[in-house]
Amino acid sequence: DTEVTQTPKHLVMGMTNKKSLKCEQHMGHRAMYWYKQKAKKPPELMFVYSYEKLSINESVPSRFSPECPNSSLLNLHLHALQPEDSALYLCASSQKVADQETQYFGPGTRLLVL
Amino acid sequence: QKEVEQDPGPLSVPEGAIVSLNCTYSNSAFQYFMWYRQYSRKGPELLMYTYSSGNKEDGRFTAQVDKSSKYISLFIRDSQPSDSATYLCAMNQGAQKLVFGQGTRLTINP
Repeated sequence: DTEVTQTPKHLVMGMTNKKSLKCEQHMGHRAMYWYKQKAKKPPELMFVYSYEKLSINESVPSRFSPECPNSSLLNLHLHALQPEDSALYLCASSQKVADQETQYFGPGTRLLVL
Repeated sequence: QKEVEQDPGPLSVPEGAIVSLNCTYSNSAFQYFMWYRQYSRKGPELLMYTYSSGNKEDGRFTAQVDKSSKYISLFIRDSQPSDSATYLCAMNQGAQKLVFGQGTRLTINP
């Protein structure tokens, strides 16, 4: 089973709201990722957690705050977002196979900021 | 110049045709190559991955890597309307950061 789940599927929020995106995997993967994807563009990496510690932050604005409560869960806390932050937010997890981190993606949360 | 170049299409072919999707790259350190399929408004789905030059086959799909030319391909045989999606190539040196192509939008016409 290579399933990564994400909730909610859709989210509409105002610029003053605080909301959270959630991601879960039960494949025993030790790395989890947040990506942002705009229409007709490839995913852009935001954050990577390895063994529950933040290992990569791609200079993401502080209005995005990741959290990894345990090895199966990953959250993305959102606060004071801008309309240009509207996008598909993807979670992924990975395992090492032959020295390669093979990433599996969730279905995404489609976010609209008004 | 982008590290990975992929023609965004759109590419439209009749059902049953053989489809060829391609990416070129400039970083000779890339060792691992992946193809993802993404349906509209869904997350990318890993189709195939390989880490050596040559061909790898899985059902109707064949991934081909030519490291000397820095060129990778995905072939789809007996294409079906359900293959209509955006296909993303991705590659890296084995670390956690993937470098994606722009994605090719493919439509298979019944």
